[in-house]
Amino acid sequence: DVVMTQSPLSLPVTLGQPASISCRSSQSLVYSDGDTYLNWFQQRPGQSPRRLIYKVSKRDSGVPDRFSGSGSGTDFTLKISRVEAEDVGVYYCMQGTHWPNTFGQGTKLEIK
Amino acid sequence: EVQLVESGGGLVQPGGSLRLSCAASGFIFSDYEMNWVRQAPGKGLEWVSFISKSGNRIHYADSVKGRFTISRDDAKNSLYLQMNSLRVEDTAVYYCATFSDPWGQGTLVTVSS
Repeated sequence: DVVMTQSPLSLPVTLGQPASISCRSSQSLVYSDGDTYLNWFQQRPGQSPRRLIYKVSKRDSGVPDRFSGSGSGTDFTLKISRVEAEDVGVYYCMQGTHWPNTFGQGTKLEIK
Repeated sequence: EVQLVESGGGLVQPGGSLRLSCAASGFIFSDYEMNWVRQAPGKGLEWVSFISKSGNRIHYADSVKGRFTISRDDAKNSLYLQMNSLRVEDTAVYYCATFSDPWGQGTLVTVSS
């Protein structure tokens, strides 16, 4: 199975400052169709998860443009340009290229 | 409005069975691939199973393969997860998800004697 490794696991950030989460996969996530199926999910406290980013860098509808995704192959990053209070929660990467799909361990973002 | 409502969770003894349901509304269910994802108490997300739009492609996590069966009924806009031979480690909130749309609130499955 593809192992997804996130870092850091805990991320204290000052309001208005940028934040960055890394996600590395144990195998390339490039699919045979040329696309890379790497997603980012946010789970706010007490809420169900929601997808923020799909195919590495495509934002889902309604996701603020302060969220951006980048990367290729086995190395991916989620960046928040200016952290707001509503961004507190746990962030997960998930690969959809290989079966079984697999999630990273999660990164808990908190406000300093 | 897109809505996914999971049901069927509850307390079951180890070795028992449960059938989860997911009622979909607000979108053309038959046009979407569907997934089950679970989250053990205080833990991270674990992908469980996938079914394609036509139902002819199905995948499972290794941890549930041979014990869980995913299915769908497009006429009823519903997704199912039949869970047999349940283990204590299957205790979790189970979500159905398209991934592209809002998730439901999930249904809690507790496996305990």
